[in-house]
Amino acid sequence: AQKITQTQPGMFVQEKEAVTLDCTYDTSDPSYGLFWYKQPSSGEMIFLIYQGSYDQQNATEGRYSLNFQKARKSANLVISASQLGDSAMYFCAMRVLNTGNQFYFGTGTSLTVIP
Amino acid sequence: NAGVTQTPKFQVLKTGQSMTLQCAQDMNHNSMYWYRQDPGMGLRLIYYSASEGTTDKGEVPNGYNVSRLNKREFSLRLESAAPSQTSVYFCASSEARLSYEQYFGPGTRLTVT
Repeated sequence: AQKITQTQPGMFVQEKEAVTLDCTYDTSDPSYGLFWYKQPSSGEMIFLIYQGSYDQQNATEGRYSLNFQKARKSANLVISASQLGDSAMYFCAMRVLNTGNQFYFGTGTSLTVIP
Repeated sequence: NAGVTQTPKFQVLKTGQSMTLQCAQDMNHNSMYWYRQDPGMGLRLIYYSASEGTTDKGEVPNGYNVSRLNKREFSLRLESAAPSQTSVYFCASSEARLSYEQYFGPGTRLTVT
């Protein structure tokens, strides 16, 4: 079975500080992809970053980086230099090659950036 | 290029009424998905269509039916709405590649009274 776990329902961070949002996953398939999405209060889902299971380097996209620890089955999102506009829900998701193109989502972490 | 569109944006139904949520994408994606989002539960997959002509159940299919009308359109039908189906519904599409993200519609907020 495939599963994504996000254990932090809510997080607070001071503006300009870095924050790590946790994500662990479970799959027995060796080929998978890990995604992070942001959902601001307006409701739309915004893709942030992707990491493939065979990627040797951690993914980075601007202020977002993915701390991929394969042995621990974790894919934590790191946001550097937090901004007020980063306040949102953040979802971790996994896509497994052999499950008919399904994506599996975690329950999300609500991030609040404090000025 | 509109991406993924959903109609309607808001809907209120009475228990037992039926309705169809419409979704269309203009990115020529093969795969389309319907999710529901409830507080504290994340996104749960209702149905998906890996390619035109195929549909499969997701995690929470009971009370719903889907139709993949063509490559562009994927509709979700509630035959007899129940208060437990009050939720925000998202349609998404993607390509059949591991590294390809999902593109989401703006969502439909459905209330069943």
